[in-house]
Amino acid sequence: DIQMTQSPSSLSASVGDRVTITCRASQTITTYLNWYQQTPGKAPKLLIYSVSSLQSGVPSRFSGSGSGTDFTLTISSLQPEDFATYYCQQSYSTPYTFGQGTKLQIK
Amino acid sequence: QLQLQESGPGLVKPSETLSLTCTVSGGSISSRSCYWGWIRQPPGKGLEWIGNIYYSGSTFYNSSLKSRVTISVDTSKNQFSLKLTSVTAADTAVYYCARRLIVATDNWFDPWGQGTLVTVSS
Repeated sequence: DIQMTQSPSSLSASVGDRVTITCRASQTITTYLNWYQQTPGKAPKLLIYSVSSLQSGVPSRFSGSGSGTDFTLTISSLQPEDFATYYCQQSYSTPYTFGQGTKLQIK
Repeated sequence: QLQLQESGPGLVKPSETLSLTCTVSGGSISSRSCYWGWIRQPPGKGLEWIGNIYYSGSTFYNSSLKSRVTISVDTSKNQFSLKLTSVTAADTAVYYCARRLIVATDNWFDPWGQGTLVTVSS
């Protein structure tokens, strides 16, 4: 199975900050990497697919990059609604696996 | 707008079978461009993919659960279902259904159902 490791596991930041979350795969997944946002009590919501493609309706302050084994999710200027947990997920091979999550909290 | 909704018992006894159904609305489950899947999340923990099914009935399961899982599809009702046998407390989780959209060779889960909490307890 491909292991997905996110860092950090939690992060405190302020509105307006630029934040970066890292996701590392245990083997190459080329560009088969997706990002999801989950707020408490809600289902995960697709943010970014195929490393860097923004899902419809997702604000442009979100961006993704990377290839191979190392990937990043960047939020250019945090907004109050961005405080949530973020998960990366590899769609390269089954079993599809997720990172452990990064909880973004208000400082 | 495609929507998915999980339904089923919220409480299952240990050693019994967990059964959930996902109803798809706003689109056809017989679409050739997607699979339909189940993902679970134990309380306070991360996400685990359980398995997927195509409208034709072709399935893929997580090997960690494969001996206990069955996913089926009913195209006439636009529904797909999950059965997990011999449950234990470790199977307590929020269970989500989701569409696995396939574009070219890539794929991702979108949208998701709201999720349903299943507790395994006597």
